[in-house]
Amino acid sequence: EVQLVQSGAEVKKPGESLKISCKGSGYTFGYYWLGWVRQIPGKGLEWMGIIFPADSDTRYSPSFQGQVTMSVDKSTATAYLQWSSLKASDTAIYYCVRQVTYEGSPPRPAFDVWGQGTVVTASS
Amino acid sequence: EIVLTQSPGTLSLSPGERATLSCRASQSISSSHLVWYQQRPGQAPRLLIYGASSRAIGTPARFSGSGSGTDFTLTISRLEPEDFAVYYCQQHGSSRRTFGQGTKVEI
Repeated sequence: EVQLVQSGAEVKKPGESLKISCKGSGYTFGYYWLGWVRQIPGKGLEWMGIIFPADSDTRYSPSFQGQVTMSVDKSTATAYLQWSSLKASDTAIYYCVRQVTYEGSPPRPAFDVWGQGTVVTASS
Repeated sequence: EIVLTQSPGTLSLSPGERATLSCRASQSISSSHLVWYQQRPGQAPRLLIYGASSRAIGTPARFSGSGSGTDFTLTISRLEPEDFAVYYCQQHGSSRRTFGQGTKVEI
């Protein structure tokens, strides 16, 4: 079974650093782009960026460029999302997602597998 | 940035009724790049439709997608109790993969 399993909930103070993880299993980790999606409580979905595990090619949404860092460890099939200095406005659920590309002309991409989400609370 | 606007914000229907959800893009996108997701309360979203009209594995046949250019539609032919959820469209056509703001289908 293809799965993305994320690390547990975090409670931090504004200004603290944080790194959350997403471990892939059931598929060849390096072959698929992995993305991150933010959901502020009660709100919609925001695409943060995407990383290709084989070479760590990373694309950030302009809204999140410079605010977070995405990385991967191919040896453990794990992706990471980190903050150097959290803000209260970073309080949200963070989902990791696998991007698949279905065959077609042109190809048809989609986020076919979602992690269970990591709740991040930044509060003083 | 391609902005996706979903309407209505909330759809109040009963089981057995037909639901029609709209997603309008601020500029034309390839239908290959339009995707629909369902999010039930307390759960992660799940893929329903890709390429505007292709059902993902596990998506019941009562769900169908259509559209092209800037106007896309998700139709649920007969609502089942488990279909009451929030639905998001998303585009993969630009480097910034934006989501619509969601349509809540409620009883």
